[in-house]
Amino acid sequence: DQQVKQNSPSLSVQEGRISILNCDYTNSMFDYFLWYKKYPAEGPTFLISISSIKDKNEDGRFTVFLNKSAKHLSLHIVPSQPGDSAVYFCAAGGSNYKLTFGKGTLLTVNP
Amino acid sequence: SAVISQKPSRDICQRGTSLTIQCQVDSQVTMMFWYRQQPGQSLTLIATANQGSEATYESGFVIDKFPISRPNLTFSTLTVSNMSPEDSSIYLCSVDIYGRVLGNEQFFGPGTRLTVL
Repeated sequence: DQQVKQNSPSLSVQEGRISILNCDYTNSMFDYFLWYKKYPAEGPTFLISISSIKDKNEDGRFTVFLNKSAKHLSLHIVPSQPGDSAVYFCAAGGSNYKLTFGKGTLLTVNP
Repeated sequence: SAVISQKPSRDICQRGTSLTIQCQVDSQVTMMFWYRQQPGQSLTLIATANQGSEATYESGFVIDKFPISRPNLTFSTLTVSNMSPEDSSIYLCSVDIYGRVLGNEQFFGPGTRLTVL
């Protein structure tokens, strides 16, 4: 049973436009959610997180939105840059410190 | 954040053999984890490496197949035993930095790409 789902395996956007990556979860016990970026041959790099008590968190060009009633979160990147091209993983965690990851979305930002 | 290194970065092994992967952190951390990422799949938690005691394994993973050591707060090893081609994956260690409360961000090592022939 996949508790964290990223239904879009890939996304392509033009440089300067907004990238929106989506994530759905099924476990209402998750306390916090995170987004990671992964380049080939590297480990995932932490981007931004959000607590379940908030609905928005912003850090520079990155904003994460959480809709608890819909069990849905999204990552917005504005403006998108070619260097943002990578695989983005959504992850969720609870009180036991364990993270559950989605399968990832490959973002390609075209110049 | 923490600087995390893994050795080896990649390896090609014969079936039936074992490989030990090392994870070194530049600062003391309370929580260390081992993940596996099979081709086209998400990161799956194998176990939590506990300092001074046996690792805590997730469902589907057992100590005989993936023995883990954690002799101190900066180092851990994961062994992939009696390997088969199905063990071909990227193996990653991660740490939860001591004292973090909000978000419990985990920081990842660069990964070890294992291919089993």
